Amino acid sequence: EPEVTQTPSHQVTQMGQEVILRCVPISNHLYFYWYRQILGQKVEFLVSFYNNEISEKSEIFDDQFSVERPDGSNFTLKIRSTKLEDSAMYFCASSVDSLSTQYFGPGTRLTVL
Amino acid sequence: TQLLEQSPQFLSIQEGENLTVYCNSSSVFSSLQWYRQEPGEGPVLLVTVVTGGEVKKLKRLTFQFGDARKDSSLHITAAQPGDTGLYLCAGGDNAGNMLTFGGGTRLMVKP
Repeated sequence: EPEVTQTPSHQVTQMGQEVILRCVPISNHLYFYWYRQILGQKVEFLVSFYNNEISEKSEIFDDQFSVERPDGSNFTLKIRSTKLEDSAMYFCASSVDSLSTQYFGPGTRLTVL
Repeated sequence: TQLLEQSPQFLSIQEGENLTVYCNSSSVFSSLQWYRQEPGEGPVLLVTVVTGGEVKKLKRLTFQFGDARKDSSLHITAAQPGDTGLYLCAGGDNAGNMLTFGGGTRLMVKP
């Protein structure tokens, strides 16, 4: 069964460093998403992406964040200058269309020291 | 801002008991998805309901979407230790751009 994959599974970085989290969505899906989950808290929406454009973003997704689909298979989330409060699990998701079920990847645990 | 309130937050029951988890909002959602999440992993889809009043069954799990598409419930019959985990509800907005998650229900089923 097709699944969303994410790399790395765990990323440790120093505050102020740039990180890039990678995702490979399900191959026939056209809509891509990033969510995050701070330890012990709700899963929160960050951004949705379709046709090489951001469809919607939350207040969390400020100028320090960016997303890109650099090729036909990868979808990336970049944090330019990480802060301690960026430490969280980051989940990528994809769906066939905007109203269909979103399927989640296993997540990347980001630890900012 | 759409909010989803999930209850109860924690539930500890004996094997064989029945339970219901609730997901409530004042907002209307285009769809309601239920996920199960294991520690350190991503949410795994259990079911999606899209029509008001819709009921779906997955073995011993019964999911219902409220008539007004503002609430949903998950009922487990004869719970088993393998049902132990974190259950999340998530509502889709009308534009289909984002999911709003509930806070989760952590279920423990004791043998």
